[in-house]
Formats: sequence, C-alpha cells, structure tokens
Amino acid sequence: SQWGEENLQALSIQEGEDVTMNCSYKTYTTVVQWYRQKSGKGPAQLILIRSNEREKRSGRLRATLDTSSQSSSLSITGTLATDTAVYFCALTSGGNYKPTFGKGTSLVVHP
Amino acid sequence: GPKVLQIPSHQIIDMGQMVTLNCDPVSNHLYFYWYKQILGQQMEFLVNFYNGKVMEKSKLFKDQFSVERPDGSYFTLKIQPTALEDSAVYFCASSFRGGAETLYFGSGTRLTVL
Repeated sequence: SQWGEENLQALSIQEGEDVTMNCSYKTYTTVVQWYRQKSGKGPAQLILIRSNEREKRSGRLRATLDTSSQSSSLSITGTLATDTAVYFCALTSGGNYKPTFGKGTSLVVHP
Repeated sequence: GPKVLQIPSHQIIDMGQMVTLNCDPVSNHLYFYWYKQILGQQMEFLVNFYNGKVMEKSKLFKDQFSVERPDGSYFTLKIQPTALEDSAVYFCASSFRGGAETLYFGSGTRLTVL
C-alpha cells in the first residue's frame, strides 16, 4: 500500500474551532492534492501542493507538505458547519496520470 | 466552476445484465477517469483515458469493463456482464492536462446490482 496507518480518521468538533488532518504516505510523490467530498457529491479539489512547496494557503485552508517525512496536512481555521465532509488527500507520482486517494478523514462540524 | 455531468444518478439492474454509465466531461478537457467508491469510503482508481485510448487501468478494471468516448461525445463505462460486487458509486472525472493536475468530478452514478 502507498499509505501510512493514520489516514483513516473521524473527527467531530464545534463550529469555530480549528482542525488539522494528516496524510502520510510511503511512495515517492510529486504532488499532493486535498479534496473535499460532501454527502451525495463527487470530490472537489481544495488545494494542490507540489513537492517543491512546503506550504500553500487558500482562504481558511492551509496545506503543508514534508517530503522528508512523507507527510502532508490540511488545516482549517474557524470551521463552519458547512465544512462537514470527508477530506481526502490524493497522491500523484512523476510520470503517473492517476491521483491515488487515501481513505479519508470524516469531519463533522456542529453548529 | 467547470462541471462534469453523470447520467443516470442511480441505476438498478439484475446481475448478469449490461450497464452503461455516461459522463459528460468539461468541454475542453483531454483526460478522463473513472473511480469506484463503496459506502463513502476510499476512492479507488479504475481507469484513465486520453486521445481515444486507455492509458492506465487498475486491477479493479476487470475484463468485463470497457470505456470509450466516440467522437467527443459521452465518456462511457460499460460493464458486461455485471456482478454483485460491482455495486458501488462510480465517479467520472476529467482534467485538461494529465499527470499531477486538478481533477473535476461528477456527482457519481450509484449502481445497484441485484
């Protein structure tokens, strides 16, 4: 498997709290993408971070990538109830055309 | 943003029948994908497609599966014959470039094989 053990999680928090989700992997990766999937919908990309980048931000979202420890994280500040979803990281290796998804983190934000 | 449409949203068929899942990708995209998801869990890659050909396929892409996109119309996934274990939600995605680029997903087709 390409994945570490901690990629399957379920989190339940209150609106307004900050949250960080983690993704660890075992194979060489050129790009990590973070996707969000709301109930009954397909995944939608949140952030794409390349192997030469350490951090990327988009609004309330912040993604990090540490290629030495082969891990990535996604942080959401000031969560909203509408952030309730499953969050996936997806890996792509050089020369590879198929992003491979992790098991995902289920996040429930209570209003 | 760019939209990928999948038709139908639900399909119920008897085991052994043929089924075709249809995907209308983003208009200027060149790469197309099918993923399989069971019970809202991991998205499993099935196949990708470019320039009229399958580029890569996984072990889940059994001999009973086929894909095509005739003359720039729908990108389709055909399963013939279906098996009980094919019950899942199938997601189509497209991207402008291949490799490490953003995939745009449809809302999925829920396939139930009885």
